[in-house]
Amino acid sequence: NAGVTQTPKFQVLKTGQSMTLQCAQDMNHNSMYWYRQDPGMGLRLIYYSASEGTTDKGEVPNGYNVSRLNKREFSLRLESAAPSQTSVYFCASSESDRVAYGYTFGSGTRLTVV
Amino acid sequence: AQSVAQPEDQVNVAEGNPLTVKCTYSVSGNPYLFWYVQYPNRGLQFLLKYITGDNLVKGSYGFEAEFNKSQTSFHLKKPSALVSDSALYFCAVRDNTNAGKSTFGDGTTLTVKP
Repeated sequence: NAGVTQTPKFQVLKTGQSMTLQCAQDMNHNSMYWYRQDPGMGLRLIYYSASEGTTDKGEVPNGYNVSRLNKREFSLRLESAAPSQTSVYFCASSESDRVAYGYTFGSGTRLTVV
Repeated sequence: AQSVAQPEDQVNVAEGNPLTVKCTYSVSGNPYLFWYVQYPNRGLQFLLKYITGDNLVKGSYGFEAEFNKSQTSFHLKKPSALVSDSALYFCAVRDNTNAGKSTFGDGTTLTVKP
């Protein structure tokens, strides 16, 4: 099925460990986004990529890095995980950064940092 | 800066009754508004959007939303609720000046009781 695929679905890390969350879309979308979802706080933008070859910080970028590997793939890296990064992470894509388009979301990665 | 408020954390309705999930927004230019639904352990799914034109927009699963510019509101509605509508609903506004980033509300949990 066409859509946004995130891996892994679940992950437990120890404080200080690193990991990369993978995201791939097969809809030929130009724009991709990483959000984190915390109870009572909605979704907060971490990083985004308006088009292949560009990335920019969102609302809460500290402790994260991203790579837009190609048009399909947009990865999120935690270099040294902290308990405050325990969250559910969603990748989303959009046909364009033009406002007429909605987002397609992946099913999320539930990350626990102990 | 743009913002979205969902004033109700929880909305409870009986099956067959009409439902309303409220959303108000703040933007400096023209508003581009979206509703998404999230079922347990799933990513968000696009429901409907307002870009321009008719103030009443129709979307998936029988939902509709009414745009009111004077009240800066974009309430989600359905004439007859189903138990299967029970989920978490997010209102979002998309920024037409900065890479199409979306700002999400904190979400409203809708519970439809038989």
